Amino acid sequence: RKEVEQDPGPFNVPEGATVAFNCTYSNSASQSFFWYRQDCRKEPKLLMSVYSSGNEDGRFTAQLNRASQYISLLIRDSKLSDSATYLCVVNNWSTDKLIFGTGTRLQVFP
Amino acid sequence: DADVTQTPRNRITKTGKRIMLECSQTKGHDRMYWYRQDPGLGLRLIYYSFDVKDINKGEISDGYSVSRQAQAKFSLSLESAIPNQTALYFCATSDSDTRYGYTFGSGTRLTVV
Repeated sequence: RKEVEQDPGPFNVPEGATVAFNCTYSNSASQSFFWYRQDCRKEPKLLMSVYSSGNEDGRFTAQLNRASQYISLLIRDSKLSDSATYLCVVNNWSTDKLIFGTGTRLQVFP
Repeated sequence: DADVTQTPRNRITKTGKRIMLECSQTKGHDRMYWYRQDPGLGLRLIYYSFDVKDINKGEISDGYSVSRQAQAKFSLSLESAIPNQTALYFCATSDSDTRYGYTFGSGTRLTVV
């Protein structure tokens, strides 16, 4: 089983739609969680950290469910510019490194 | 200037050639990493360094070597390039506290012909 698993998509949604991605992780000792955004052939960039209480940044909301070991990202009012691959990232407590999911691709169409 | 700079941005090389990819950072981070990315496979860790005197193999280190010349510099070498090393290579840095995530360079697109 992979340490971090994501649905690769693609998720094709119209502008203005709400879309949600989930990610599951296998290591219950993980303490740090993130969503990264990666545009085609560009570097991954930190979108937001995910806190236990959940957090929101504009149109983006991240949630953590420790009991079920999953993380979610909700995007409201999707824009064309949101089209990208979203990487779920979790720390590996024993190796002290981040583990990156393979990403979920989002395509927003007009 | 970018916090994490990779050179070259693009490179085409021939099979059997030795090639070096360079990474430098101005973030003052102790930790540096080299990843490769192939379509559908996500990021795979090649080597990482938690400080200047610390070098560790990642999941796919065969055919690669690294040098940590200073806190700010971490180079990746392909000793004898082969076509299946064609990929997008990223350098990343982090603080010793991974709560703050990693910062990536803009990548090197390497093609081995």
